[in-house]
Amino acid sequence: NAGVTQTPKFRVLKTGQSMTLLCAQDMNHEYMYWYRQDPGMGLRLIHYSVGEGTTAKGEVPDGYNVSRLKKQNFLLGLESAAPSQTSVYFCASSYWGNEQFFGPGTRLTVL
Amino acid sequence: GESVGLHLPTLSVQEGDNSIINCAYSNSASDYFIWYKQESGKGPQFIIDIRSNMDKRQGQRVTVLLNKTVKHLSLQIAATQPGDSAVYFCAENKETSGSRLTFGEGTQLTVNP
Repeated sequence: NAGVTQTPKFRVLKTGQSMTLLCAQDMNHEYMYWYRQDPGMGLRLIHYSVGEGTTAKGEVPDGYNVSRLKKQNFLLGLESAAPSQTSVYFCASSYWGNEQFFGPGTRLTVL
Repeated sequence: GESVGLHLPTLSVQEGDNSIINCAYSNSASDYFIWYKQESGKGPQFIIDIRSNMDKRQGQRVTVLLNKTVKHLSLQIAATQPGDSAVYFCAENKETSGSRLTFGEGTQLTVNP
């Protein structure tokens, strides 16, 4: 099993550009999550999903959108990137809440 | 408001010693408290969790203690090894929140040979 994979691993954007981060899991998990991690800080939840076709806002949802059209995929979109969105983005999935399996992260820089 | 925070940002120990990483929380309504380990350049990895109605739980070389009176959580690592060097996060989970975790800021553990 590959576990949780994220695409791309690195990306540089200019302010105002858009992009989509892809997360895929092969563990048949119901729950999926998108977090951002800023230097020296913990993880903050952006959006999450409790099942295919459902999404919900987390702690810091502004400027991001998500979709869960298939159970194994969770997409994070930035419609108009801002420098404040420079961060490392982690996707995670779980059978239930406590034990979440994280991907390797996507390092995003917005100039 | 809700918060999960750590007492110390860094901890340095000698190989073979025991490590204790602390965490304070303010939300008494949490159902679970969880510890994660994050190695450099990687995503966090689940270590152990404890339900809010328990005081202690042991795993392999790790023990988590929960003191609800003072809202304090600790992770004890026995016989610390160089591979234990990482950032450790505490997190909390309320089952009614849709399995959302709230993470603390992390403690950097450095194990010296």
